[in-house]
Amino acid sequence: QSALTQPPSASGSPGQSVTISCTGTSSDVGGYNYVSWYQQHPGKAPKLMIYEVSKRPSGVPDRFSGSKSGNTASLTVSGLQAEDEADYYCSSYAGSNNLNVFGTGTKVTVL
Amino acid sequence: QVQLVESGGGLVKPGGSLRLSCAASGFTFSDYYMSWIRQAPGKGLEWVSYISSSGSTIYYADSVKGRFTISRDNAKNSLYLQMNSLRAEDTAVYYCARAVGGLQLDYWGQGTLVTVSS
Repeated sequence: QSALTQPPSASGSPGQSVTISCTGTSSDVGGYNYVSWYQQHPGKAPKLMIYEVSKRPSGVPDRFSGSKSGNTASLTVSGLQAEDEADYYCSSYAGSNNLNVFGTGTKVTVL
Repeated sequence: QVQLVESGGGLVKPGGSLRLSCAASGFTFSDYYMSWIRQAPGKGLEWVSYISSSGSTIYYADSVKGRFTISRDNAKNSLYLQMNSLRAEDTAVYYCARAVGGLQLDYWGQGTLVTVSS
């Protein structure tokens, strides 16, 4: 399984929005509604931010939203705050006979 | 509250072995699939393995197949990763994580560092 493709970096000023793409294939992103997004601050464990394409776990601000179109999923962070500066990874289910696959990761910088 | 605590990491020589453990609490461990994920220094996340709730279904990344063995003890609420024939490229922080539908990972441990070096 190849890694899902994400842009290496994204940035925005406080209060602005940033959108991160995650491109896979019909065998993973396009084939299932099990796309998840993880936030990772330096030296910390990843944290689930979005699951099943667009659902937010309890405690995750509604500034974080997810969507999918075809083989590409997206994470949008609205109203950027300083604490949103982190690495973000997408992941997708890839069928019962495969491990899931992670994206290449995107570093979000709050200017 | 859900807690996952990894242990067992350390420095090991190439070709050596190490066994990682993950102690789970705050949920019914036997109800959940569990996973190991690793992150090499400065790199992205990589799935290593997952195991079904009963232990009957197991998958490995091609990079570790034949060298690593995942297991669990539901009576002890513990997950394990036996790592043999370790290589320099296995150097990473290893995380255990709880998996829900579609193997999405809703809780992660803090990670344990494995360094393979002579």
